[in-house]
Amino acid sequence: GENVEQHPSTLSVQEGDSAVIKCTYSDSASNYFPWYKQELGKGPQLIIDIRSNVGEKKDQRIAVTLNKTAKHFSLHITETQPEDSAVYFCAAHRRGTYKYIFGTGTRLKVLA
Amino acid sequence: NAGVTQTPKFRVLKTGQSMTLLCAQDMNHEYMYWYRQDPGMGLRLIHYSVGEGTTAKGEVPDGYNVSRLKKQNFLLGLESAAPSQTSVYFCASSPLFSGTPSSYNEQFFGPGTRLTVL
Repeated sequence: GENVEQHPSTLSVQEGDSAVIKCTYSDSASNYFPWYKQELGKGPQLIIDIRSNVGEKKDQRIAVTLNKTAKHFSLHITETQPEDSAVYFCAAHRRGTYKYIFGTGTRLKVLA
Repeated sequence: NAGVTQTPKFRVLKTGQSMTLLCAQDMNHEYMYWYRQDPGMGLRLIHYSVGEGTTAKGEVPDGYNVSRLKKQNFLLGLESAAPSQTSVYFCASSPLFSGTPSSYNEQFFGPGTRLTVL
C-alpha cells in the first residue's frame, strides 16, 4: 500500500549546524508534500510545503527539496537553534483527495 | 480565528467507559479528520469526513464512531474504552480542493487530546 518512509528517527546536532531529514514516498501520483513541526504537548504545525511542479522551496532557515523521479523529498534546516528541537513529520498527498500519508517522525535535538 | 480546537485536553477513563471528543474549526473547511498518535507510529487516520453529514472509515476505525452534524464540528466517540485506545488524538481540517492550479488542500491540526484508559 501507500507509505512514506522517514529517516532518521532521531537526530542530534550542535547549535549552528545543519540538519537534514529525508522522506521517500511510494504513490507516484502524490503532488503535495508538507512538513510539520510538533513541539512537546502540541499539535503538528505546518512549517513548509512543496508542490510537485517545484524542485526546491526556501523560507528563511528552512528549505525543502523534491526529486520526483526518485520519489524523495527532504527538509533542510540551517543554523539550527535550540528552539528547532521538536519532532518533524513529512507527508505525501494527492491533490483533490482526502488522504495524507505521514512519515513516522524525526525527533530533532539541537544541543547548545 | 481560533483555527482547530479540541476538547478536552486530557481525560482518564476506566475500561468500558464511554466518552466523546469534540473538534471544532472556524475556517469553513469541508474536510475534517481524526488521527491517533502513538510512539514510533506517526499519525494514523481513524475516521474522516468530506462534508457535513458524511463520515468514512480511515486506517484504524475499530472501536470508534464519529459524527459530523454541523460543518464546523467533528465528534469522535468511544463507546466502550479499552487500554489499547490510550493515545493522543488529533483532529485536523482542510479546505475543499477548488480545482484551480494554485489550490491545494493544506491540513491544519488541533492541539490534541491525551487519553488514558486504565
